[in-house]
Amino acid sequence: LAKTTQPISMDSYEGQEVNITCSHNNIATNDYITWYQQFPSQGPRFIIQGYKTKVTNEVASLFIPADRKSSTLSLPRVSLSDTAVYYCLALRNSGNTPLVFGKGTRLSVIA
Amino acid sequence: DVKVTQSSRYLVKRTGEKVFLECVQDMDHENMFWYRQDPGLGLRLIYFSYDVKMKEKGDIPEGYSVSREKKERFSLILESASTNQTSMYLCASSLRDRALHFGNGTRLTVT
Repeated sequence: LAKTTQPISMDSYEGQEVNITCSHNNIATNDYITWYQQFPSQGPRFIIQGYKTKVTNEVASLFIPADRKSSTLSLPRVSLSDTAVYYCLALRNSGNTPLVFGKGTRLSVIA
Repeated sequence: DVKVTQSSRYLVKRTGEKVFLECVQDMDHENMFWYRQDPGLGLRLIYFSYDVKMKEKGDIPEGYSVSREKKERFSLILESASTNQTSMYLCASSLRDRALHFGNGTRLTVT
């Protein structure tokens, strides 16, 4: 399983765009990059998943360069409610594989 | 929407007790997982199951066992609870290699 590395914490002001980068140097050919969000006292929640280039949904955008050794989760115009821990994972697209979470990035949004 | 239900939100048990944590999902998912989450350590995988009666060890299986007699139910068992098993326990389910859906967790305190 590809090991992922993220910053431990980030701070941002409300209304700013936040970019959280994850490195996954040994990602396998059939691994997808998946991001989860976790609020206090709740289980993690799926945000977005991608294989390469760019994926966008109503919550976030995910940028994956051609070499796929890193990815960037982009949160546009964050609000206080985006304060959470964000996890990056490499998810295999075949076989039965367990998901191993790292320690995530704690994003604090300040008014 | 997928619902993953954990039987208890909070649980207090004594050292040496046998503890059962129950998890039920309603979307016919093949895969089910048990994680524990501790401050500064992120989510750590205890056990997972990709089919009825199948189980695989995760990163920290010591002191735990699991049971999956029906597809929708995955139980985590602490044979003899110890204080170092005080933690937040999170259950999750998924279709084969798709996004995980988490329950809201059981906060277990062993005294």
